[in-house]
Amino acid sequence: QQKVQQSPESLIVPEGGMASLNCTSSDRNVDYFWWYRQHSGKSPKMLMSIFSNGEKEEGRFTVHLNKASLHTSLHIRDSQPSDSALYLCAASMDMGYKLTFGTGTSLLVDP
Amino acid sequence: EAAVTQSPRNKVAVTGGKVTLSCNQTNNHNNMYWYRQDTGHGLRLIHYSYGAGSTEKGDIPDGYKASRPSQENFSLILELATPSQTSVYFCASGDKGQNTLYFGAGTRLSVL
Repeated sequence: QQKVQQSPESLIVPEGGMASLNCTSSDRNVDYFWWYRQHSGKSPKMLMSIFSNGEKEEGRFTVHLNKASLHTSLHIRDSQPSDSALYLCAASMDMGYKLTFGTGTSLLVDP
Repeated sequence: EAAVTQSPRNKVAVTGGKVTLSCNQTNNHNNMYWYRQDTGHGLRLIHYSYGAGSTEKGDIPDGYKASRPSQENFSLILELATPSQTSVYFCASGDKGQNTLYFGAGTRLSVL
């Protein structure tokens, strides 16, 4: 049973549209969340992190975190074809502790 | 940016053979990890290490061993490779404070 669940499994959005990705941990001990992006044939790279309840925005990317429900979401506005990638959510109990990844959401931005 | 180098990049092994995947990082990170990636499973943690001389079991350690002889190097060993271990393997290093992981380019392993 995957402890970090992501939805949807795949997503297609038009260029310029909004993409919304979800992630929930079933492990009540986790306290920190990250989003990684992996382009096809490449290695994952950290996109954003969020450790406190609320919202964090960086350019076109916004992450939300609700610690009570252990749910985080990533929103990409004005989606670009270059955003097409696998988005992986990761969670950890503590800083410096091992990261557990979800199965990912495959995003395709249709030009 | 942090540099993590994996070798080999591609490997074909025979069932029952021994396979060693190597990882080197030059950023003095304490933590190092081995993940495998398969379609539909995301990244699954095999072994990890918090420093030289230490190794810890991850979520799917069966059939794998790990070795961390120095701060820079972390190896993954398949003593008796099986076809089910065909996968893409990623090594990563991370700073204890930030916990951002930096991944190597990956090793594509095929066990025939």
